[in-house]
Amino acid sequence: EPEVTQTPSHQVTQMGQEVILRCVPISNHLYFYWYRQILGQKVEFLVSFYNNEISEKSEIFDDQFSVERPDGSNFTLKIRSTKLEDSAMYFCASSEEGTGNQPQHFGDGTRLSIL
Amino acid sequence: SQKIEQNSEALNIQEGKTATLTCNYTNYSPAYLQWYRQDPGRGPVFLLLIRENEKEKRKERLKVTFDTTLKQSLFHITASQPADSATYLCALQSYDFNKFYFGSGTKLNVKP
Repeated sequence: EPEVTQTPSHQVTQMGQEVILRCVPISNHLYFYWYRQILGQKVEFLVSFYNNEISEKSEIFDDQFSVERPDGSNFTLKIRSTKLEDSAMYFCASSEEGTGNQPQHFGDGTRLSIL
Repeated sequence: SQKIEQNSEALNIQEGKTATLTCNYTNYSPAYLQWYRQDPGRGPVFLLLIRENEKEKRKERLKVTFDTTLKQSLFHITASQPADSATYLCALQSYDFNKFYFGSGTKLNVKP
């Protein structure tokens, strides 16, 4: 069964450094998402992306964050200048459609640790 | 925005019993409501989806109900097994379908 893959599984970065998290969504999916989950807390929506542009972003997704689909397969999340509070699991997800009528398929996440 | 409430206390049940998990939401009724399972250190895995005009949906040992009057969904696992132990998340979409909200999840422990 096709799956969403994320790399790296664990990223350790110094505060203030830039980090890029990578995702390969399921190939025929059109909608892409990033979420974060701080340890012990709920999954929080960051951004949705369709047709090469952002559809929606949350208040967490400030100017330090950006997303890109640089080619036909990868979907990336960049944090420009990391802060300690950016430490979390970051999940990528994709779905065939953007309505709630379709499930989201999640990767197993990247654990981001900011020192 | 939408606020979703799930019981934050773990639910402990004996193998073979039925587990019932609750999801309450506070704002508009969504067109669809989804349930996911999350294991430690893993991403959420989709289980079931129910539409606003459906009262009940079943898949094998899983059953979901959706009451838009009460603004509540119930998730049932019948004949529970230790392998069902995980955190179960409820998810709703925003009114314009561009954003998803997740509940904080309820941890289910099924004891042999």
